[in-house]
Amino acid sequence: DGGITQSPKYLFRKEGQNVTLSCEQNLNHDAMYWYRQDPGQGLRLIYYSQIVNDFQKGDIAEGYSVSREKKESFPLTVTSAQKNPTAFYLCASRYDKNTGELFFGEGSRLTVL
Amino acid sequence: KQEVTQIPAALSVPEGENLVLNCSFTDSAIYNLQWFRQDPGKGLTSLLLIQSSQREQTSGRLNASLDKSSGRSTLYIAASQPGDSATYLCAVTSTGANNLFFGTGTRLTVIP
Repeated sequence: DGGITQSPKYLFRKEGQNVTLSCEQNLNHDAMYWYRQDPGQGLRLIYYSQIVNDFQKGDIAEGYSVSREKKESFPLTVTSAQKNPTAFYLCASRYDKNTGELFFGEGSRLTVL
Repeated sequence: KQEVTQIPAALSVPEGENLVLNCSFTDSAIYNLQWFRQDPGKGLTSLLLIQSSQREQTSGRLNASLDKSSGRSTLYIAASQPGDSATYLCAVTSTGANNLFFGTGTRLTVIP
């Protein structure tokens, strides 16, 4: 079945460690996005990519990094520079960056101990 | 910058009732508007996508309308069921922007 796969579903990290969240899609979508969701807040855009080997910062990119070496994959690294990384992270993609329907993965919950 | 508002933040209705969820946006220059459902601890599930040239979209018991000139969209749910209990979010893609702007959602509870 086509879709977006995020892993791991749950992740625990010690302070000072970098962690990488995986996002893979087999929908042949060009545009991919990473969002952060905190309780009581809306989705906030971290990074997005419209094409392979290109990506742009969103509203809260500080402390995060991404790569887009393959069309299917858009991993997110949460670095030790991110001051408050405990959150629910959502990956999404769509075929067209302007008019396409957006689809989401199931999310990854990161907890910093 | 585009701002998307959803009011109320929470809504409780008895099973079987028809209901309307509201979404408003400040900039009418949009490509489309999309409605999502989110269950606790899960990702967002796409419900309906309305392109800027369309007035409404329907899927089963759901009907979404779009009025660009007034910056409003509504999601109508007919004959609500307990399984409809979830948070409903709307998002718009503005022209001139490369990402979506999300509302904070309406948490719906359908009481059996």
